Amino acid sequence: DAKTTQPTSMDCAEGRAANLPCNHSTISGNEYVYWYRQIHSQGPQYIIHGLKNNETNEMASLIITEDRKSSTLILPHATLRDTAVYYCIVRFTGFQKLVFGTGTRLLVSP
Amino acid sequence: DAGVIQSPRHEVTEMGQEVTLRCKPISGHNSLFWYRQTMMRGLELLIYFNNNVPIDDSGMPEDRFSAKMPNASFSTLKIQPSEPRDSAVYFCASSLDVDRGGQPQHFGDGTRLSIL
Repeated sequence: DAKTTQPTSMDCAEGRAANLPCNHSTISGNEYVYWYRQIHSQGPQYIIHGLKNNETNEMASLIITEDRKSSTLILPHATLRDTAVYYCIVRFTGFQKLVFGTGTRLLVSP
Repeated sequence: DAGVIQSPRHEVTEMGQEVTLRCKPISGHNSLFWYRQTMMRGLELLIYFNNNVPIDDSGMPEDRFSAKMPNASFSTLKIQPSEPRDSAVYFCASSLDVDRGGQPQHFGDGTRLSIL
């Protein structure tokens, strides 16, 4: 699985958009980009994933660059409950293993 | 819809005792995963099953750990004998098997294990 690089921590004001970057310069053509988050004392929560195209769901948007070497998770209107560690993971199709790195600790403040 | 259900939520026991963690995957999911999370090592995959068959157990730390999946709706992770260094949060996750567009894994709330 390709390695990912994320900032250690980020801050965001409540109500503003949170943009979390991820570099995955060694990603291969059949690897998906997944985003999970972990709120303190809870299990990791699936947010969104994509292969080439940008994706949007009720939680977030995922923007993948054309060369697929980086991506950005966007929380359009961050709330205090979005404070968590966010993990960017790349994974082969048909290969079930998820390898979690250290993630980005997002702090949303009033 | 019920998510992944793990029990117990907390377990405190003495070194040397047998510990059994339980997991009920989401109905219809046929892949199941056991992870362990510690401050030092982060979140690590221990073992995963596909259609009740263990596929990759390379993350299981040693012979004291064993996992079973007797049917599609139940799995156990057993530690015997337990040691203080086994203290961690253990997560179970499940997903659909076939990678149609990349199936995400869904996690339970974990079992917080403390070995004294």
